[in-house]
Amino acid sequence: DQQVKQNSPSLSVQEGRISILNCDYTNSMFDYFLWYKKYPAEGPTFLISISSIKDKNEDGRFTVFLNKSAKHLSLHIVPSQPGDSAVYFCAAGGAQKLVFGQGTRLTINP
Amino acid sequence: DADVTQTPRNRITKTGKRIMLECSQTKGHDRMYWYRQDPGLGLRLIYYSFDVKDINKGEISDGYSVSRQAQAKFSLSLESAIPNQTALYFCATTAWGADTQYFGPGTRLTVL
Repeated sequence: DQQVKQNSPSLSVQEGRISILNCDYTNSMFDYFLWYKKYPAEGPTFLISISSIKDKNEDGRFTVFLNKSAKHLSLHIVPSQPGDSAVYFCAAGGAQKLVFGQGTRLTINP
Repeated sequence: DADVTQTPRNRITKTGKRIMLECSQTKGHDRMYWYRQDPGLGLRLIYYSFDVKDINKGEISDGYSVSRQAQAKFSLSLESAIPNQTALYFCATTAWGADTQYFGPGTRLTVL
């Protein structure tokens, strides 16, 4: 049973536009959520996180939104840049363990 | 220098062989984790350790074992490798009470 789901395996966005990556979860006990970015031949790197007591967190071009009632979070990247092309994983946490989604491959086109 | 290192980075082995993957960290974190990544499945937790004397099974521990030799070192063993253990393996660490895990560069393991 997949507790964290990223239903879009891939997303293609034009440079300069907004990229929106989505993630759904089923377990209401998760108390924090994170987004990781992964380039080929490298490990995932932390991008941004949000606590379950908040509904929005911003860091530069990256904003994460959390809708607890819908058990949904999203990552907005504005404006999208070529270097943002990577695989993005959402993760949900509790008791110092993380559960990851399947990943979404984001491609930024010039 | 990288904070979390994994050796080897790539390994090809045969069915039935014993394999050990090693992870070292210089971040001073107590908690260490092993994950595997498969296409379309994301990262799945194999084992985790909250300190040297604490080892816990994750979601997919069958066929694997671990050893926490020191606070900084956590190794993953495949006692008798099988082809469906072909995957990318990642080690991660985090500090006590923190949310963010920091990952190593990964080991690509191929079992023929």
